[in-house]
Amino acid sequence: DSGVTQTPKHLITATGQRVTLRCSPRSGDLSVYWYQQSLDQGLQFLIQYYNGEERAKGNILERFSAQQFPDLHSELNLSSLELGDSALYFCASSVSPQEGETEAFFGQGTRLTVV
Amino acid sequence: AQKVTQAQTEISVVEKEDVTLDCVYETRDTTYYLFWYKQPPSGELVFLIRRNSFDEQNEISGRYSWNFQKSTSSFNFTITASQVVDSAVYFCALSEADFGNEKLTFGTGTRLTIIP
Repeated sequence: DSGVTQTPKHLITATGQRVTLRCSPRSGDLSVYWYQQSLDQGLQFLIQYYNGEERAKGNILERFSAQQFPDLHSELNLSSLELGDSALYFCASSVSPQEGETEAFFGQGTRLTVV
Repeated sequence: AQKVTQAQTEISVVEKEDVTLDCVYETRDTTYYLFWYKQPPSGELVFLIRRNSFDEQNEISGRYSWNFQKSTSSFNFTITASQVVDSAVYFCALSEADFGNEKLTFGTGTRLTIIP
């Protein structure tokens, strides 16, 4: 158990809909990362938050947004869903960068199926 | 831009054989981190190792060992005496050693199947 909790584990929704994926980082971790794993794109970095602020952005679509709350949990919002958004979405967390430890521990992922 | 290449898409070996998974990376940074993650059939990503670019010592952990060669930009992973439980997809990844920017760039993964 990595200590990172993602809910829900599975999600099936229709095209055009909006969903919210939730992530609770390991206790004490200030950084949260979101990754998308799809068959055609592989594992891709979407976005990173550090202590409530956006820190880095990757290949995240404009239809997607994220935020990190004061209690450090994070949500990834996916809207106007398309079939191609079907993927496994991972959240990861790591300790404060000032600690010098950069390994990210991943949650179990949310498998999103858009039908 | 950073890039990680895992040229071996799939490997199958018979149980108890040794197997090496290759990883080649590209980066312009002088300081960076390299990682290996395991993704078993259940889907989660399991952290295996992190290596700092300044530390070229090879590492051994039980049946696992890692060979980091900066001269060839490679970070290969060897499993000795493979077991069926080693069957998984293995990802090599790279991140900048830049506090506040630790996003991972992953390779495409190598699917390892251990045949009993």
